[in-house]
Amino acid sequence: DAGVIQSPRHEVTEMGQEVTLRCKPISGHNSLFWYRQTMMRGLELLIYFNNNVPIDDSGMPEDRFSAKMPNASFSTLKIQPSEPRDSAVYFCASSPSGRNTDTQYFGPGTRLTVL
Amino acid sequence: AQSVSQHNHHVILSEAASLELGCNYSYGGTVNLFWYVQYPGQHLQLLLKYFSGDPLVKGIKGFEAEFIKSKFSFNLRKPSVQWSDTAEYFCAVNEGTGGFKTIFGAGTRLFVKA
Repeated sequence: DAGVIQSPRHEVTEMGQEVTLRCKPISGHNSLFWYRQTMMRGLELLIYFNNNVPIDDSGMPEDRFSAKMPNASFSTLKIQPSEPRDSAVYFCASSPSGRNTDTQYFGPGTRLTVL
Repeated sequence: AQSVSQHNHHVILSEAASLELGCNYSYGGTVNLFWYVQYPGQHLQLLLKYFSGDPLVKGIKGFEAEFIKSKFSFNLRKPSVQWSDTAEYFCAVNEGTGGFKTIFGAGTRLFVKA
């Protein structure tokens, strides 16, 4: 299995531009999580989906952030417009069955730099 | 709200030294507890987890952790570290009654000197 796939691995953009991060979960997994990692705040959960439905988006920082999961094999996290404080590593993770005892399998992350 | 506290942000050890990384959480109910590790240049991966049964949990690569409910703690231990254990270690917790929201600690960076 290829594991969780994220693209791009690195993104550099200018303030005000739209940024779209992509994630392909492990095949057969039905829960998907988006996290943001910064030095100041550590690893924060932004949103999670179960069976393609957003269950909790309370971690999404503001309306500039949106996430979708149109099908079981693809999710996007969009930032529009981007700001320098959005610079971070964004991780996607998936888990098999939706139970909270499941292991989460993380992707390699997307390092976002907003100038 | 739940929180997870990892006491040490940076730890430096020599090879063969014993390791204990502290983790405390704030939630008073049933919890599921995890330790994840991120080796340099690699993905976050699970070291071990606890959700019921024996409070002493054994994980990969010789790591273990002990859940002490009265202390709200889940400390990670290894009797003898190796240079290859150099990594960042994250403690995480979610509610045992079905909450999906997993809270991660700030992480502890371990550097093992050869």
